[in-house]
Formats: sequence, structure tokens, C-alpha cells
Amino acid sequence: SQTIHQWPATLVQPVGSPLSLECTVEGTSNPNLYWYRQAAGRGLQLLFYSVGIGQISSEVPQNLSASRPQDRQFILSSKKLLLSDSGFYLCAWSVNGEGTEAFFGQGTRLTVV
Amino acid sequence: GENVEQHPSTLSVQEGDSAVIKCTYSDSASNYFPWYKQELGKGPQLIIDIRSNVGEKKDQRIAVTLNKTAKHFSLHITETQPEDSAVYFCAASVVGNSGYALNFGKGTSLLVTP
Repeated sequence: SQTIHQWPATLVQPVGSPLSLECTVEGTSNPNLYWYRQAAGRGLQLLFYSVGIGQISSEVPQNLSASRPQDRQFILSSKKLLLSDSGFYLCAWSVNGEGTEAFFGQGTRLTVV
Repeated sequence: GENVEQHPSTLSVQEGDSAVIKCTYSDSASNYFPWYKQELGKGPQLIIDIRSNVGEKKDQRIAVTLNKTAKHFSLHITETQPEDSAVYFCAASVVGNSGYALNFGKGTSLLVTP
């Protein structure tokens, strides 16, 4: 069966520090991968999605970047965090080519102080 | 791009009553409409979905209806229980297009009081 791992679960970082959140998927090949952010208003904002290694699409211009160095690994990064980067970050995957159900990780609660 | 609107943002019902959450979408190409439930501190989990070739789908106490002409779809929860309390999200996407990701509504916080 497929599983998705996301870590860390919680993170407190000072303003200006770098960020690296990692997500890996097991039990499937060539998945679509996504990073969503959920701010205080509860909405799920799509940040990045990837349909293959090295292929990243950005939905919203921001202080963040994403990379997919391996088929089932998706990384969210920042060189310098802003206070406004605080939020709940969710990684998700779906079957490539279908655009259907997304399976979410447990999320990372990021607090920038 | 697709724009999904969800209402209400908060909903409080008494245990045993029904709850209805409504969503509208803008992209007529959308043909897949899932609903997710998110409990506190966790990632969203799919609870039911519907495709555009179907008008209604039921799974025990949960049902979803779709009106493609009007571009709206709804989640119905009957005989609500306290454990139904959570944030619910609707979403829309296009099946068969890997370039599409799910576009979510802003969520509905449902509270079921005993």
C-alpha cells in the first residue's frame, strides 16, 4: 500500500533562517506531488506541484521554492524565512495522469518567530 | 483557472440533525469533485467523491450531489454525531490531466453539539 511521510511535524524557526521540509512517498511510482499551505483562515493554498523529477510548477510567487531530486521525494525550501511564512504545510500525492484523489501527509506546523 | 467557493465557513448543528455544505466552481472543464475531512492537527482525508457523469452518490450517512449545469455541488451529512466535528473541504479538478491539481474551497468548520 502507498504511504506518505512528511517531517518534521512541528518546527519553530527564527526570521531569516533557512527552511527545508521533506516529503517522501512509498508504494507508488511517478506520482504527482504537491505542497499546500494552510494559513489561519483554514483554506488550502496550492504552492507547488510536480509531475516528474525536476519538473516543478509554482502556483503563487513567494519566498519559497520546491525541488524533486528523486521520483518520490519532494522538498520545500526557503533561504530566508519571513514571519508570513508561518502556517501548516501539507504534502500530498496523486496518481500521475489522473488529476484525482490526493493523499495528504500529516502536515508540518511551522512557526516563524 | 478554477475558483471554488464554499459556504458556510462555520456550521453548528445539534447531534442527530443534518448538515449541508455547498460549493460552486467556475471551470466548466472540471469533472471530479472530492470532499475532504480534516481533524485538528492532521492532514485532510478523503470522505467521498463524485464524477460529473453522476448526479448523486451516497455512502452511509454521507451523500454528495452535483449540478453540472449550475456548477455547484453539496455535501450532506445526516444523523450527525460529535465525531463528525471537523473542517470539511470541497475541491474540483479535471480527471485525466496530470497538469491539474485539486483546487480547494476555503473550508467549513462543522461543530456537532451533543
